[in-house]
Amino acid sequence: DAKTTQPPSMDCAEGRAANLPCNHSTISGNEYVYWYRQIHSQGPQYIIHGLKNNETNEMASLIITEDRKSSTLILPHATLRDTAVYYCIVRPGPNFGNEKLTFGTGTRLTIIP
Amino acid sequence: GAVVSQHPSRVICKSGTSVKIECRSLDFQATTMFWYRQFPKQSLMLMATSNEGSKATYEQGVEKDKFLINHASLTLSTLTVTSAHPEDSSFYICSARRATSAWTDTQYFGPGTRLTVL
Repeated sequence: DAKTTQPPSMDCAEGRAANLPCNHSTISGNEYVYWYRQIHSQGPQYIIHGLKNNETNEMASLIITEDRKSSTLILPHATLRDTAVYYCIVRPGPNFGNEKLTFGTGTRLTIIP
Repeated sequence: GAVVSQHPSRVICKSGTSVKIECRSLDFQATTMFWYRQFPKQSLMLMATSNEGSKATYEQGVEKDKFLINHASLTLSTLTVTSAHPEDSSFYICSARRATSAWTDTQYFGPGTRLTVL
């Protein structure tokens, strides 16, 4: 069962903000939203995660709607190295068991020079 | 960020031989590690969950006698593909779970191992 829905592909101009949407309308109260990305032929890279508050780190910002049914990952100033497949994953916190990450098909983000 | 390494990064072997892949968490201890497989143009598929000091838990359809997992220490898990065949050729990726607070944790991934079975 797909827990998240993401657009299959997006383009973004270099230097602009890349906004990647994710729908998770069936998210439960104990589930976090995680974002990873995978550059071709590499292992996935952790980006950010959150429960209900917006989060920011050195890589990106995560905006979660008040009803938690969707979120947006924001890369503030996209570079060519941000070209990758981005995965949005929902998963319970560690105290609720089921530590698995289930990867969907993600969004292929292409940064255009 | 936490660092997870894998060795080897690439391996080519003959059909019928066994191949061992190592996954190490370099700067943190991981009681739980995970093994994934990724075929070309597909997403990652979880194969098994590896817990330190206990038997691994395999996902449905993954043969535990073919994919042997050992998690003997808090920083090392190994995956052995026994009697490898061409259909086992794939990109194998491990991850290690790191608790970041009492309420949340994060999985950090290794760079992957490309296995080609001739």
